[in-house]
Amino acid sequence: TQLLEQSPQFLSIQEGENLTVYCNSSSVFSSLQWYRQEPGEGPVLLVTVVTGGEVKKLKRLTFQFGDARKDSSLHITAAQPGDTGLYLCAVLSGGYQKVTFGTGTKLQVIP
Amino acid sequence: EPEVTQTPSHQVTQMGQEVILRCVPISNHLYFYWYRQILGQKVEFLVSFYNNEISEKSEIFDDQFSVERPDGSNFTLKIRSTKLEDSAMYFCASRVFDHEAFFGQGTRLTVV
Repeated sequence: TQLLEQSPQFLSIQEGENLTVYCNSSSVFSSLQWYRQEPGEGPVLLVTVVTGGEVKKLKRLTFQFGDARKDSSLHITAAQPGDTGLYLCAVLSGGYQKVTFGTGTKLQVIP
Repeated sequence: EPEVTQTPSHQVTQMGQEVILRCVPISNHLYFYWYRQILGQKVEFLVSFYNNEISEKSEIFDDQFSVERPDGSNFTLKIRSTKLEDSAMYFCASRVFDHEAFFGQGTRLTVV
């Protein structure tokens, strides 16, 4: 069973602050995904990283895949209240590409 | 924009009763999934479905669970005899192979 541990579990910050969320595993992955889930909604895919060391940017969000492809980070610059939500890292596994989610980081951005 | 739709949004049922959760996947998608999220816990895989049969299931998906694609558009999850611990958000997802999975907004199941 692949275990994706995220840290921190909870994060409450003021609008305008920067933050980093981590996703760690002892397994090597061919790719890793980040999702955001808002209250009452299903997870929505933000990005997929594929290459070790890869950095992808989505507006104020920066995603990095570790060199060894075992971990990843999500950095948010100048957080906004609209960034509030549950951030989930995930990997695809099996021939039918089921999504295995990490433990999640619940982010609250206070105006 | 196409989306996965789930009904009902909230279902309350008595312990021991059968429930059917319904999903309409995106029309050209061929791979279908159910996931569960108990309050405060991670999203967990239940089952995947392809070509009218279960392709993979987790240890959570025991004999009380079943899935069906009764027609060309619906994908259902049936829980035969609900238990208190079945209370959770249930998410349906669909995809085209090797592309993004799209999740529905979920059904909150409360077993009392």
